[in-house]
Amino acid sequence: EPEVTQTPSHQVTQMGQEVILRCVPISNHLYFYWYRQILGQKVEFLVSFYNNEISEKSEIFDDQFSVERPDGSNFTLKIRSTKLEDSAMYFCASRLTGVDGYTFGSGTRLTVV
Amino acid sequence: KNEVEQSPQNLTAQEGEFITINCSYSVGISALHWLQQHPGGGIVSLFMLSSGKKKHGRLIATINIQEKHSSLHITASHPRDSAVYICAALYGGATNKLIFGTGTLLAVQP
Repeated sequence: EPEVTQTPSHQVTQMGQEVILRCVPISNHLYFYWYRQILGQKVEFLVSFYNNEISEKSEIFDDQFSVERPDGSNFTLKIRSTKLEDSAMYFCASRLTGVDGYTFGSGTRLTVV
Repeated sequence: KNEVEQSPQNLTAQEGEFITINCSYSVGISALHWLQQHPGGGIVSLFMLSSGKKKHGRLIATINIQEKHSSLHITASHPRDSAVYICAALYGGATNKLIFGTGTLLAVQP
């Protein structure tokens, strides 16, 4: 069964450093998402991406965050200057169309120290 | 405001028991996902439904659009069913983002 692949599975970074979280969505999917889950809290929407542009972003997704689909297969989330409160599990997800179900990646656990 | 509420937050069952997890949402949605999250964190989609009922093995999901309520049932529960079960509402519009519930931590004891 096709999978959404996320790398790395765990990343530790110093506060203020830039991090890039990588995702390879299912190849024929058209809608791409990033969600995050702070430890002990519910999963929250960050951003959606369709047709090579952001279609919606949450209040969390401020100027420190950016997304890119540089080569038609990877979908990346960049955090420019990490803060302690960015520590969370970040999930990438993709969908074939706007009416299909989601497929989630296994997540990247980001720890900012 | 779009809200998704789940109950119970924690559930302990004996192997073989019939389990029900409930989910309610505040405004109209286009569909609802039931998801499973194991320790270590990965999320697996169990069902997406917009009406009626779906069944997969020992799992059954139902939704009542008028009452804005969905249930996930597990028949003949097994310790391997132990996980966090999350309902997430799919709201319409350009992005169809998911609004997540807080999850139900299920522990099935042998």
